[in-house]
Amino acid sequence: LAKTTQPISMDSYEGQEVNITCSHNNIATNDYITWYQQFPSQGPRFIIQGYKTKVTNEVASLFIPADRKSSTLSLPRVSLSDTAVYYCLVGTEGDKIIFGKGTRLHILP
Amino acid sequence: GAVVSQHPSRVICKSGTSVKIECRSLDFQATTMFWYRQFPKKSLMLMATSNEGSKATYEQGVEKDKFLINHASLTLSTLTVTSAHPEDSSFYICSAAKREGTDTQYFGPGTRLTVL
Repeated sequence: LAKTTQPISMDSYEGQEVNITCSHNNIATNDYITWYQQFPSQGPRFIIQGYKTKVTNEVASLFIPADRKSSTLSLPRVSLSDTAVYYCLVGTEGDKIIFGKGTRLHILP
Repeated sequence: GAVVSQHPSRVICKSGTSVKIECRSLDFQATTMFWYRQFPKKSLMLMATSNEGSKATYEQGVEKDKFLINHASLTLSTLTVTSAHPEDSSFYICSAAKREGTDTQYFGPGTRLTVL
């Protein structure tokens, strides 16, 4: 199970693009990179998942360099409602996924 | 879609009573479900892995006699907190794995347990 490192917290302003980078130096060949979003008193919500290069959906983009030792979640034009904790998860331990501390994103007006 | 529900969303109980929390996968079958607990401002902590038709696997430090898990069908797992005490007050979250090659987990909305 790859250990991940991401910033503890970030601040940004409404309308800005926010990029959250996650380091995962010991990612395994078969590991996927998955990002979840969690609002207070709610369960985590799946945002995006990727294996390499770039993945985009209606919510976010995920950029993964060729060495796959890091990944960047990009949120375009954030709003106040994007204030949440964002978790980067890499691989599984058997079936289990283990959450790190996540990045607490605070969007300011 | 991949929707997971939990019931109840919040519960308040007296110390010494038992509380059951249900986790259902609404539109897919889940052979494996997971139970987490989360304290304020902390990350999710995996408590146990629940497999349909077999005993749950508990993480180190989680008392299996206190947190009873039953996975009776491919869409339902229950967590019973027995003889609850105030220190068991927490946010309990379940997830279900959707088998689509990447083993993505989908989470329920959580259950807030307050033990008085």
